Amino acid sequence: GEDVEQSLFLSVREGDSSVINCTYTDSSSTYLYWYKQEPGAGLQLLTYIFSNMDMKQDQRLTVLLNKKDKHLSLRIADTQTGDSAIYFCAERRTSYDKVIFGPGTSLSVIP
Amino acid sequence: DSGVTQTPKHLITATGQRVTLRCSPRSGDLSVYWYQQSLDQGLQFLIQYYNGEERAKGNILERFSAQQFPDLHSELNLSSLELGDSALYFCASSPPSGHSYNEQFFGPGTRLTVL
Repeated sequence: GEDVEQSLFLSVREGDSSVINCTYTDSSSTYLYWYKQEPGAGLQLLTYIFSNMDMKQDQRLTVLLNKKDKHLSLRIADTQTGDSAIYFCAERRTSYDKVIFGPGTSLSVIP
Repeated sequence: DSGVTQTPKHLITATGQRVTLRCSPRSGDLSVYWYQQSLDQGLQFLIQYYNGEERAKGNILERFSAQQFPDLHSELNLSSLELGDSALYFCASSPPSGHSYNEQFFGPGTRLTVL
């Protein structure tokens, strides 16, 4: 189908790792993104991965890409209360710059 | 601050009315995207313009229209407003095509309330 899928809610304890999963739809998508939306604000790019990579690490963030299953995950190590936000997975289709966003996963961090 | 500006920040209007939302992209960005975010529908892509021309269309209603002007700012026009049009409307911009990973930079949004 057309939709990028994510679970809608995730709750973790401060200091634990968070893993947010996403299933995308187009096996020819070139870039996969994770955007973060804090309360009352617009989306902000957190990290991205090019489709020929399996993994990307950036400080506390680890992105894993499984192209065969069209599965993308975002791991946040040592989750902090400031990480509470909505996280959107997105894929860039090969047609022009069209980017399709998932519904967003609301991450709650319990102190 | 992403560099993308949107006005107004809040808009309250009545059903049946028409409103115009305005977006100024980051300096140098040629693409402008419009999104609608509501609680029940999530983030919906509406339409994209590239250097003044429509490039991609998403779930945009016929009552809605947009344009991008020669100075690259964009306007989203919403007419015959219904209660269900109440939402956050985001504009985003991105650098010219071919710029690596093509990050989209989002504005702060316009919150539209239709009473």
